Amino acid sequence: DQQVKQNSPSLSVQEGRISILNCDYTNSMFDYFLWYKKYPAEGPTFLISISSIKDKNEDGRFTVFLNKSAKHLSLHIVPSQPGDSAVYFCAASDYGQNFVFGPGTRLSVLP
Amino acid sequence: EAGVVQSPRYKIIEKKQPVAFWCNPISGHNTLYWYRQNLGQGPELLIRYENEEAVDDSQLPKDRFSAERLKGVDSTLKIQPAELGDSAVYLCASSPTLDTDTQYFGPGTRLTVL
Repeated sequence: DQQVKQNSPSLSVQEGRISILNCDYTNSMFDYFLWYKKYPAEGPTFLISISSIKDKNEDGRFTVFLNKSAKHLSLHIVPSQPGDSAVYFCAASDYGQNFVFGPGTRLSVLP
Repeated sequence: EAGVVQSPRYKIIEKKQPVAFWCNPISGHNTLYWYRQNLGQGPELLIRYENEEAVDDSQLPKDRFSAERLKGVDSTLKIQPAELGDSAVYLCASSPTLDTDTQYFGPGTRLTVL
């Protein structure tokens, strides 16, 4: 039973446009959510996070939105750049006790 | 600042052989994690340490997997004997404390069991 789901295995976006990556979760105890970015042959790198007490967090070109009632979060990248091409993992934790990653979405930004 | 170091980067063994992975976390990070990532999936937590104490090993298959972090710094993850289904990338991560949600990952060890 997947507690964190990323239903789009892959996404292609034109350079300069917006990339929207989605994530759904089932465990209502999750209170902290993170996005990681992974290049081939490297470990995941922390990108941005959001606490359950917020509904939006922004860092440069990256914004994460959280809809607690829908148990849904999304990562927006604007504008998308070719260097953003990577696998993006959504992760969730419940008060630091339980860390769960989604299966990832492979983003391809086309020049 | 040096990141999380893992070795070896790649390992190929035959089934039923033992294998060990080593991790050196970021200096000063008390919390250390071992994850397994199967192809096309996200990392799955195997064990989590706070200093030298394993605070969560509920997902570690204890019949063949073992881990240690004797001095609360470096850690070793061992599989004995390895099975075909153990082929995966084994990731080590660290964070400053148990209460810090952001983890810093090493590059991983890709294990292939033939």
